[in-house]
Amino acid sequence: DTGVSQDPRHKITKRGQNVTFRCDPISEHNRLYWYRQTLGQGPEFLTYFQNEAQLEKSRLLSDRFSAERPKGSFSTLEIQRTEQGDSAMYLCASSLSERGRSGGSIQYFGAGTRLSVL
Amino acid sequence: SQQGEEDPQALSIQEGENATMNCSYKTSINNLQWYRQNSGRGLVHLILIRSNEREKHSGRLRVTLDTSKKSSSLLITASRAADTASYFCAIYQGAQKLVFGQGTRLTINP
Repeated sequence: DTGVSQDPRHKITKRGQNVTFRCDPISEHNRLYWYRQTLGQGPEFLTYFQNEAQLEKSRLLSDRFSAERPKGSFSTLEIQRTEQGDSAMYLCASSLSERGRSGGSIQYFGAGTRLSVL
Repeated sequence: SQQGEEDPQALSIQEGENATMNCSYKTSINNLQWYRQNSGRGLVHLILIRSNEREKHSGRLRVTLDTSKKSSSLLITASRAADTASYFCAIYQGAQKLVFGQGTRLTINP
């Protein structure tokens, strides 16, 4: 399968613990995105990378959240000192930017990591 | 906010019927996309319609875009049980930030 993969699929943790999620994008895609989705809502943008550079961060991404994309390949999203309000589905997506093409590209999503903070 | 807003929030129809859901947005766009999400899963891209297009088809899907009214509609014809899912419209805010509405939860009854 050459789609976007996320690991783990489910994570249960206790409040105050740190958690880390991994996303492997489609191999030729240079852009990678993280979203958060709570029950009954649409995904909310958290951050995105162009290759290894983190180019935009949402104000939703508090200082307890950090994302990396070393070498422009896979990405990790870490949440420190988790709170119950962090419980959500964390979605990763990737896309390929094309020179000369404007207007935004199609994003391909992984199955998500569901985080439950007890 | 450029957030797309879907209407209705929930829709329940019989298998074989057509399902129509609508999306409204607030500012100018380059394109609008529709995604489907099965329960507890990731999103699957369905169709992208550019601002200079008025209608687009893909299999049983038909999407329209009216930029003067800042609205789009997604029509699913001859619905099947497998079409049961949440459907989201999404638009770009800035260069790369995709903004989603709350979605329409579609239930197809056998």
